[in-house]
Amino acid sequence: SQQGEEDPQALSIQEGENATMNCSYKTSINNLQWYRQNSGRGLVHLILIRSNEREKHSGRLRVTLDTSKKSSSLLITASRAADTASYFCATENRLDSSYKLIFGSGTRLLVRP
Amino acid sequence: DTGVSQDPRHKITKRGQNVTFRCDPISEHNRLYWYRQTLGQGPEFLTYFQNEAQLEKSRLLSDRFSAERPKGSFSTLEIQRTEQGDSAMYLCASSSRDLGDYEQYFGPGTRLTVT
Repeated sequence: SQQGEEDPQALSIQEGENATMNCSYKTSINNLQWYRQNSGRGLVHLILIRSNEREKHSGRLRVTLDTSKKSSSLLITASRAADTASYFCATENRLDSSYKLIFGSGTRLLVRP
Repeated sequence: DTGVSQDPRHKITKRGQNVTFRCDPISEHNRLYWYRQTLGQGPEFLTYFQNEAQLEKSRLLSDRFSAERPKGSFSTLEIQRTEQGDSAMYLCASSSRDLGDYEQYFGPGTRLTVT
């Protein structure tokens, strides 16, 4: 079963606006990763934040992690129509030697031109 | 680096038939994962290989499913006696933590439709 829950399930914004997505998880983690998936295609890795980090930036992306609340947020600034996709958080759980990813249910982002 | 490839990209089969999917990981990656994704959901873990050894299988992987990774290179996922509930996107990913890279690299997926 999915571990993560993402909020909102769907988000529609105007080009140029910022988009914020939230993710909650249940167990202790090694790291949390965000992936993007364009309609019906494979996943592309966006950014990884380790359990001892609180904030990370990559280009127009900003990720925060609050391990006490078991939650993370992804902020996309100055959104573009090309950012339209589904976004998934995924956790690597501590004590799991396979390092498999546990995904949330995703946020579907629509950026209107 | 050509990335992870999967074949076929789409498969339509009748209920009860067997199907086999192939995944070619990034060549230097020793870890290979299979995930299944249904519409509107995130991917769910199916099974994991380190080199040629299958080290973990999800309870989602019924007896009708089998996966192999001969010689630690490409992998195959076979579904026997397909059921309509098997309709999903099957994703393969590879990684190599030995390189200090914790990212998993995903293939484009095989979309299975069972009629």
